[in-house]
Amino acid sequence: NAGVMQNPRHLVRRRGQEARLRCSPMKGHSHVYWYRQLPEEGLKFMVYLQKENIIDESGMPKERFSAEFPKEGPSILRIQQVVRGDSAAYFCASSPSWEGEFFGPGTRLTVL
Amino acid sequence: QKEVEQDPGPLSVPEGAIVSLNCTYSNSAFQYFMWYRQYSRKGPELLMYTYSSGNKEDGRFTAQVDKSSKYISLFIRDSQPSDSATYLCAMSKSGANNLFFGTGTRLTVIP
Repeated sequence: NAGVMQNPRHLVRRRGQEARLRCSPMKGHSHVYWYRQLPEEGLKFMVYLQKENIIDESGMPKERFSAEFPKEGPSILRIQQVVRGDSAAYFCASSPSWEGEFFGPGTRLTVL
Repeated sequence: QKEVEQDPGPLSVPEGAIVSLNCTYSNSAFQYFMWYRQYSRKGPELLMYTYSSGNKEDGRFTAQVDKSSKYISLFIRDSQPSDSATYLCAMSKSGANNLFFGTGTRLTVIP
């Protein structure tokens, strides 16, 4: 059973460009979460989604950030007009229900 | 004040030692407690998941929760160099799915 998959693993963008991060949850998992990890800081919750629904986006910045989990295909975290402060590791996690979350390898975003 | 506090370390121990890692929290709404291990530039790996106060054992790992003191611990027995990683505590509230993480404790086990 493949784990949570994320791509790309590394992403470099210039200021003002868009970043798209993809996450495929573990087979059978319908809950997807996105977290951000800044250097020397802990993981911070961003958004929780189920298929076609955003359940909790209390950790998402109000502007430039959006997330979706369509009926078909991976979950997407989209950052528009990236700034240097967006440079971080972005982790996706999935769970079947309520038994702990399983994390992917992360996407490391660098904004030049 | 952060909702979850964790000593960042670093912590260095000799191989075979017993390691004790701890977190405190301030919000009594937290009901579910987890420990993750994160190797450098990798994703966090779920080690232990507990709900109630008390101990839970899995191999060389024991998780302990004391809700009255708002204190959780992870013990590693017979530590190995392969245990060298950052250990993150995490917790969530009943009815909510988002996790609150500590900043992580960096552990090095010296052969």
